[in-house]
Amino acid sequence: EVQLVESGGILVQPGGSLRLSCAASGFTFTRSVMSWVRQAPGMGLEWVSTISGGGDSTYYTDSVKGRFTISRDISQNTVFLQMTSLRADDTAIYYCATTSYYYGSGSYWEHWGQGTLVTVSS
Amino acid sequence: EIVLTQSPGTLSLSPGERATLFCRASQSVRSSYLAWYLQKPGQAPRLLIYGASIRATGIPDRFSGSGSGTDFTLNISRLEPEDFAVYYCQQYGTSPQTFGQGTKVEIK
Repeated sequence: EVQLVESGGILVQPGGSLRLSCAASGFTFTRSVMSWVRQAPGMGLEWVSTISGGGDSTYYTDSVKGRFTISRDISQNTVFLQMTSLRADDTAIYYCATTSYYYGSGSYWEHWGQGTLVTVSS
Repeated sequence: EIVLTQSPGTLSLSPGERATLFCRASQSVRSSYLAWYLQKPGQAPRLLIYGASIRATGIPDRFSGSGSGTDFTLNISRLEPEDFAVYYCQQYGTSPQTFGQGTKVEIK
């Protein structure tokens, strides 16, 4: 059974930093493309970032470029999202998601974690 | 970026009725790279359809997707109690991949 378990979401002040983790199990981690998708309170879904199976390719939505970094640790079967210079509009539930296929421009997301809440507020 | 507009915003129906949801793209979606998700309150989204018309693993056949270019449709032939939720479309044919704003299917 595919499992994705996110952690690391907390209340942080504007300008602060945070690292989210997503522990994966139940599938071949090195063959799977991993992403972060966020959802602001009461709002829709927004793709944030994607990392290839080998970790050599990364992609970001424009609003987080230069502030967020996605990475993966094969030894831990874990994906990370390092978030810096956080702003109020980064407040959201951050979901980890995975797929077996990537089309260069994006993909559909087959499996999702339950999410971790990041709140940016003073 | 491609903007996806879903309609209607809310659909009020009774169990057993048919639901038709629409997703219109601001420009053509390459290769019909369009997906549909269902999200219940407090839960993560769940993939229903990808490639505009391919049901994901374990999705019952009362769910069907169709469309190409800029206009896509999700049909639910007979609503079950567990189908009342918010539905999102997503295009992944052009970067950045984008989602629609959602259609809420509520019990009438």
